[in-house]
Amino acid sequence: GAVVSQHPSWVICKSGTSVKIECRSLDFQATTMFWYRQFPKQSLMLMATSNEGSKATYEQGVEKDKFLINHASLTLSTLTVTSAHPEDSSFYICSASPGSGDREQYFGPGTRLTVT
Amino acid sequence: EDQVTQSPEALRLQEGESSSLNCSYTVSGLRGLFWYRQDPGKGPEFLFTLYSAGEEKEKERLKATLTKKESFLHITAPKPEDSATYLCAVQAGNAGGTSYGKLTFGQGTILTVHP
Repeated sequence: GAVVSQHPSWVICKSGTSVKIECRSLDFQATTMFWYRQFPKQSLMLMATSNEGSKATYEQGVEKDKFLINHASLTLSTLTVTSAHPEDSSFYICSASPGSGDREQYFGPGTRLTVT
Repeated sequence: EDQVTQSPEALRLQEGESSSLNCSYTVSGLRGLFWYRQDPGKGPEFLFTLYSAGEEKEKERLKATLTKKESFLHITAPKPEDSATYLCAVQAGNAGGTSYGKLTFGQGTILTVHP
């Protein structure tokens, strides 16, 4: 149980284009989903908290107009990287919590984004 | 600001050589401390959640313990397949605040177990 999937697992895009990453909870409903970014040999840094049916809460320093988050249902959240640049290349990982975020978070397998 | 420090940064063990990983934390009201395992190029895999000082949890060769300032992940008789990065994260107890449920991660300990 508690399986989270992400799609795509990896994507290469050209500078200036937009990329959408999907995060799905497969066997539970997730009121809250989280989006993290991980650079090589570094730990996970929270980008934003997504609650179903409401606007996402972004961490300090994360551009909300660049990283668009939509939590359309209790099993799906999407992250759109708009006008991507090479410095946005990273490993993006989502997590989902069965409750309101105050219990275990289960992570997806991650999406490797490379912007050329 | 919540802070998590893990040590050592890297640990090399021989198969069967037991050891411990440390996670020291500073948090404004601990709601939970989490241990995850992460393999290269993959998302973190949930291992344990600890909620209060004195609590212990076990899973196969792993045992996690918690005090008011730190947590230990004990690995007993490790095998090569235990090689991975082990991440510790804390969750603060500021219910109702922004980013409720936010996890603050340490840098991780890279464990390598040689056969």
